[in-house]
Amino acid sequence: GIQVEQSPPDLILQEGANSTLRCNFSDSVNNLQWFHQNPWGQLINLFYIPSGTKQNGRLSATTVATERYSLLYISSSQTTDSGVYFCAVPAGGDKIIFGKGTRLHILP
Amino acid sequence: SQTIHQWPATLVQPVGSPLSLECTVEGTSNPNLYWYRQAAGRGLQLLFYSVGIGQISSEVPQNLSASRPQDRQFILSSKKLLLSDSGFYLCAWLQGKTQYFGPGTRLLVL
Repeated sequence: GIQVEQSPPDLILQEGANSTLRCNFSDSVNNLQWFHQNPWGQLINLFYIPSGTKQNGRLSATTVATERYSLLYISSSQTTDSGVYFCAVPAGGDKIIFGKGTRLHILP
Repeated sequence: SQTIHQWPATLVQPVGSPLSLECTVEGTSNPNLYWYRQAAGRGLQLLFYSVGIGQISSEVPQNLSASRPQDRQFILSSKKLLLSDSGFYLCAWLQGKTQYFGPGTRLLVL
């Protein structure tokens, strides 16, 4: 089945810094989602981005479907950006699987 | 608007006891529903998904089971819990191609 790899696994940054998180997938997809899990466990959908680029405030995402990767950019990081970031892709039929995530810690 | 509820929020159970976790969705009909488990660490493991009443697809052979008795209700069960069943259980539904998650249930098996 399709494999999803996220990098880096962990990232520690100072407040105000920019970051780039990567999601590689092993097969073509028609759907890709980015999520943020806050320290209390709540998962929030950030982007649905099967291809192209989207922006929402300080966050933006780009998916290059032909090269099987997606990038999540966080600019001017804030402490509230801390948590784990996941990408998720379809894995046949109605299955949706997740990468192992990137744990981001923003220092004040 | 659509909302998703899970209960209980936390649960401590002894090994060998039964389990029932409930997930309900409001404001939509015939949603795809999913159960994921997040063990210590961070990965989300897909356990079950359902595309309709009585339709359950199992992804992980283990001592857990799922049922969908009503359109907007998804239940995760076990007859006898194992220590390895501890974790954070998340229910999600699919709207279009976007998933939305419930608040989760933290289960500790002792």
